[in-house]
Amino acid sequence: AQKVTQAQTEISVVEKEDVTLDCVYETRDTTYYLFWYKQPPSGELVFLIRRNSFDEQNEISGRYSWNFQKSTSSFNFTITASQVVDSAVYFCALKTGGATNKLIFGTGTLLAVQP
Amino acid sequence: DAMVIQNPRYQVTQFGKPVTLSCSQTLNHNVMYWYQQKSSQAPKLLFHYYDKDFNNEADTPDNFQSRRPNTSFCFLDIRSPGLGDAAMYLCATSRAMGQAGTEAFFGQGTRLTVV
Repeated sequence: AQKVTQAQTEISVVEKEDVTLDCVYETRDTTYYLFWYKQPPSGELVFLIRRNSFDEQNEISGRYSWNFQKSTSSFNFTITASQVVDSAVYFCALKTGGATNKLIFGTGTLLAVQP
Repeated sequence: DAMVIQNPRYQVTQFGKPVTLSCSQTLNHNVMYWYQQKSSQAPKLLFHYYDKDFNNEADTPDNFQSRRPNTSFCFLDIRSPGLGDAAMYLCATSRAMGQAGTEAFFGQGTRLTVV
């Protein structure tokens, strides 16, 4: 069975602090994809990053960075020097299922960045 | 330009009265998803299509049905809406796994109110 766990329900930080959002996944498939999405108060889900199971390279994009570790089944997301505009719910997602392309989401982490 | 379009944005329906939500895409993606998202919860996968192949989640109530008449359009039918079906319904599309860029793109959602 596939599962995505985001243990942090809510995180509150002060602007300019660094913050890491945790994601742990479960799947028996050897080929899968992991994603992070942002859902601001407006409600639309915005794609941030994609990683496939064969690519464990970490990635940095501006203030965002992602750490993928297959050994611990984790795909963590770090925001450096957080800003108020980063306040949103962040979802980690897992795509598996070979031919079916099933995409499931974790429970989400609400990030509140205080000025 | 919007690539995944959901209509209507807001839908009010009476308890027990059938309602249809629609989704269209201009991306020519072969996978389409329907999610239900209730307040402060994660998107919950109801079902998805890979081309014409329909994949229903085991816990999706029979009250929810879907149609995909062609690549561009997908419909969510709720045969007898109950108060518990009030939620945001999200449609998403993606390329299949193994193709370049398999992340899902989301529409703005339809907020369903049941009175």
